[in-house]
Amino acid sequence: AQTVTQSQPEMSVQEAETVTLSCTYDTSENNYYLFWYKQPPSRQMILVIRQEAYKQQNATENRFSVNFQKAAKSFSLKISDSQLGDTAMYFCAFMKHVREAAGNKLTFGGGTRVLVKP
Amino acid sequence: GAGVSQSPSNKVTEKGKDVELRCDPISGHTALYWYRQSLGQGLEFLIYFQGNSAPDKSGLPSDRFSAERTGGSVSTLTIQRTQQEDSAVYLCASSLGLAGGSTDTQYFGPGTRLTVL
Repeated sequence: AQTVTQSQPEMSVQEAETVTLSCTYDTSENNYYLFWYKQPPSRQMILVIRQEAYKQQNATENRFSVNFQKAAKSFSLKISDSQLGDTAMYFCAFMKHVREAAGNKLTFGGGTRVLVKP
Repeated sequence: GAGVSQSPSNKVTEKGKDVELRCDPISGHTALYWYRQSLGQGLEFLIYFQGNSAPDKSGLPSDRFSAERTGGSVSTLTIQRTQQEDSAVYLCASSLGLAGGSTDTQYFGPGTRLTVL
């Protein structure tokens, strides 16, 4: 079974500054996918960024980037130039790759609450 | 609509009553998932439907929970004889159901907040 750990329950950052959220996971799988989801007070889970484990290059999406360290089983999220709208819960999630079937369940970490201060 | 929709948005019920929660996935998505988000347990997988295959029910916490997906589209999660510990936000997600190495991203609905008094 997979486990995902987010060790920072809460973080605050000044607007325009950079914040990094940590995520570690435990798995015996070699092929898998990692995700960061954002959940604002509206409850809607929004995909921020995703990473395929077979890709060495770190994924980036505008102000969001990851530092994927496969050997260390670490998948941190960096938010650059933080904006007030980035205030939300952030969840790291793991999904193993299934060759024949499509789709699989996500295993989530406990979440990190990010507060961007003006 | 373009996204996953869920109804009702909020549901308050009395202990012992049955409730039904509905999920409309994104059109064309063959995979559908239910998750539960509670203060004590975080985000937990409940059940997964993929096309015409038998659903993966491995996350359902008890036999009071059941779900069906009619016509490969709309899904209903039913909780019988609700208990206070069932109070949570129930999230539905759907995905394209891609196979063969593609990332199968799940897109979430806004959730249903269930409160059992």
